[in-house]
Amino acid sequence: GAVVSQHPSWVICKSGTSVKIECRSLDFQATTMFWYRQFPKQSLMLMATSNEGSKATYEQGVEKDKFLINHASLTLSTLTVTSAHPEDSSFYICSARDPTSGNTDTQYFGPGTRLTVL
Amino acid sequence: GENVEQHPSTLSVQEGDSAVIKCTYSDSASNYFPWYKQELGKRPQLIIDIRSNVGEKKDQRIAVTLNKTAKHFSLHITETQPEDSAVYFCAATIKAAGNKLTFGGGTRVLVKP
Repeated sequence: GAVVSQHPSWVICKSGTSVKIECRSLDFQATTMFWYRQFPKQSLMLMATSNEGSKATYEQGVEKDKFLINHASLTLSTLTVTSAHPEDSSFYICSARDPTSGNTDTQYFGPGTRLTVL
Repeated sequence: GENVEQHPSTLSVQEGDSAVIKCTYSDSASNYFPWYKQELGKRPQLIIDIRSNVGEKKDQRIAVTLNKTAKHFSLHITETQPEDSAVYFCAATIKAAGNKLTFGGGTRVLVKP
């Protein structure tokens, strides 16, 4: 089945620094990937849709200058949290659809990245 | 945009009993409804899904029903086992809107041995 990986699995950084999170589709090509944020004991909230070769589409209320998304290839999307602050601490999860599978609606999730900002 | 409500937020059942989780959605254009299971600190895993042209789907102990008229869908787990303990999320998506998933608030299921 479709496999999505993320790196790193966890990261601790100081307030004011930037952190980059990678999302890769390992056995398929994804023109679209999605980035979610999940706070403890809460649901997944879509942050943005990452489009290969073009600008990401951000959900209402998500600062595009703070959460930079780059989808430079068909297997890699990156999320950079710029000038991170403690309130950015969260579980960040990406997902992708496999357009060649029998179920093109299904989103496969990465394992998530736990970000802690001190 | 789409809004998905999920109930209950917590559910405690005795091993062997059934568990039912219900979701409602707001946008009648929604056409795909997946259910995900998430264990603590792990990724959401798809357990079953249903499309708007189907009323019911079953996979072993798990079944999902969809009522398009009422705009609600439900997850049924029969013969629950301790390993079914997790958080379950329903979601809805509109293909024409880029397949963006809107998640329900989640249900924490505890199966007591």
